[in-house]
Amino acid sequence: GAGVSQTPSNKVTEKGKYVELRCDPISGHTALYWYRQSLGQGPEFLIYFQGTGAADDSGLPNDRFFAVRPEGSVSTLKIQRTERGDSAVYLCASSPGSSSYEQYFGPGTRLTVT
Amino acid sequence: GQNIDQPTEMTATEGAIVQINCTYQTSGFNGLFWYQQHAGEAPTFLSYNVLDGLEEKGRFSSFLSRSKGYSYLLLKELQMKDSASYLCAAASGGSYIPTFGRGTSLIVHP
Repeated sequence: GAGVSQTPSNKVTEKGKYVELRCDPISGHTALYWYRQSLGQGPEFLIYFQGTGAADDSGLPNDRFFAVRPEGSVSTLKIQRTERGDSAVYLCASSPGSSSYEQYFGPGTRLTVT
Repeated sequence: GQNIDQPTEMTATEGAIVQINCTYQTSGFNGLFWYQQHAGEAPTFLSYNVLDGLEEKGRFSSFLSRSKGYSYLLLKELQMKDSASYLCAAASGGSYIPTFGRGTSLIVHP
């Protein structure tokens, strides 16, 4: 079956611009997670959705970052006024539910802010 | 906060056995994950240990000691395709959200 998909695979934007990154989880998975990974580092947790609501957004670095999941399936991570330090691979993962420990990761979106 | 520590890089020979260690310090510890990540690809789940002891899954085994804050991933009969980064991650606070270490880059050579 289809895995987690993310679009775009690559995004280059100028400092100060707004970007949206999309995640399509595995069908039927109610839990969805966003991470970002810088070169040579492990993934860093950003936000977790259970259904439509953000159950834990403690990893969002500041108020320029926002994520939504309006229908409990597709999620969009939104970054305002991008900075060069936002350059990273943004990973999305899903799992069947909050009681499931195994997460299935998507291929990521490589964001480059110039 | 949480602190995850693992070696940055290891090398091993095809067919050999390698052990990747991980130490962690975290409050409200739930369990310990291992993920494999090939260069340029997404992490894939290997194991999740909650109880002390060794869990074996094919060529890969994972060990946990909660009292020592220590885990290791054991890879047997190494293959070239096992060259990847191995991420240790701890879950705490009643959730399964992992806090990842920096990963150990394993290089398997002929």
